[in-house]
Order: sequence, then structure tokens, then C-alpha cells
Amino acid sequence: SQELEQSPQSLIVQEGKNLTINCTSSKTLYGLYWYKQKYGEGLIFLMMLQKGGEEKSHEKITAKLDEKKQQSSLHITASQPSHAGIYLCGAERSKTSYDKVIFGPGTSLSVIP
Amino acid sequence: DGGITQSPKYLFRKEGQNVTLSCEQNLNHDAMYWYRQDPGQGLRLIYYSQIVNDFQKGDIAEGYSVSREKKESFPLTVTSAQKNPTAFYLCASSISGQGFYEQYFGPGTRLTVT
Repeated sequence: SQELEQSPQSLIVQEGKNLTINCTSSKTLYGLYWYKQKYGEGLIFLMMLQKGGEEKSHEKITAKLDEKKQQSSLHITASQPSHAGIYLCGAERSKTSYDKVIFGPGTSLSVIP
Repeated sequence: DGGITQSPKYLFRKEGQNVTLSCEQNLNHDAMYWYRQDPGQGLRLIYYSQIVNDFQKGDIAEGYSVSREKKESFPLTVTSAQKNPTAFYLCASSISGQGFYEQYFGPGTRLTVT
């Protein structure tokens, strides 16, 4: 079965610094989702990527999908305390939408003011 | 405002008791999902439903049961057969059909069984 790994497992950065979180799949990536979770709360959808080479940005967060490497990266520019939380990637199991999404273990981000 | 509600936020039960977690959505979504989240692990799918009166087992359905009698509601029962029920439970919903659609999540219910 497909597995998703995320690196790093946790990250502590100084406010204003840039950072990158990676999501690597053991199988071909189809739809790839990025979510953010505040501790003890539900997930908030950030972005979805579908095509190799696709890149999307929202405010200071940019996500890219490298289909050949079976990897996606999430980059935060000039981090702020509001960026703190757990970032999870999720991947569609197949090309059709009837197989469900699997999730990575998450990357915990702390931003020190 | 459209969204998903889960209740209660915290739930405590004694071992051997069944407990039902509530999930309601007013997004008019056909598909609904239940996940379990444990520390250091990603979300694991328990059950999902693509349409009313139909649902399928996910990866870890043993010890759980669901019903989908209404489009808006997808309650999850944690039975006494679930060996490790203490966890954070998340409900989600999405559009159903061809293509990929993001899931909208509820705030979660933290269940503690002692």
C-alpha cells in the first residue's frame, strides 16, 4: 500500500526565516493535498496539486509537485507565529477519485517570535 | 455559515461501554469520512460514505460502526470491541464524483477510555 513520509518530523524556526517541508510517496502521486492543523483541532485545507511541475501559492506559502520524484514540497517565506501548527500532506491513492486519500504523519512547526 | 460540527469536543468513557460520536455537515456534500489520529501518526481512515444509506470500511474499521441515514449526518460508534479506542477522531466531508476534491474537516472529538 502507498505510504507517505514527511520530513522533517518537527521544525523550530525564528520568525522571519524561510522553511521547507517535504512529502515523499512510495508510489506515483496523483492528487496531492496540503493541510494545516492547529494542535487539538481539525484540519484546514491549504492547497491541492494534480499535475507534475504544478506550483501553487497562497499568501506566503508555496507548494510544488514533482511527479517524477514522487514528492511535494511546501515552502513558507518569512515565517510568522501564525504559521505554527502541524502540516500534513495527503495523496489520492489512484487516478480515480473513488479510492480514498492517505495522509502523511505530519510536520510540527514552531515559530519563535 | 456552512461547515462541519462534531460533538462533544471531549468524551470520557469506561472500558466496555459503546460510545457514539456525532458528525453533522451543512455543506450539502455527498461524501463523508471518519478518521482516527494518534500521536505521531497521520490520519487513518475508519469508514467513509459516498452517498446516503451506503458506506464502506476504511483501513481500520474493526471495532467501529457507522450509519448514514441522512445526508447531513454520519455518526460513528466506537464499540467495546475496539481494543485501543483512546484517540482523536476527525470527521470530514467532500464533494463526491469524478475528479479530486478537498475534504472539509470538523474540529474533532478527543475520546478517552479508561
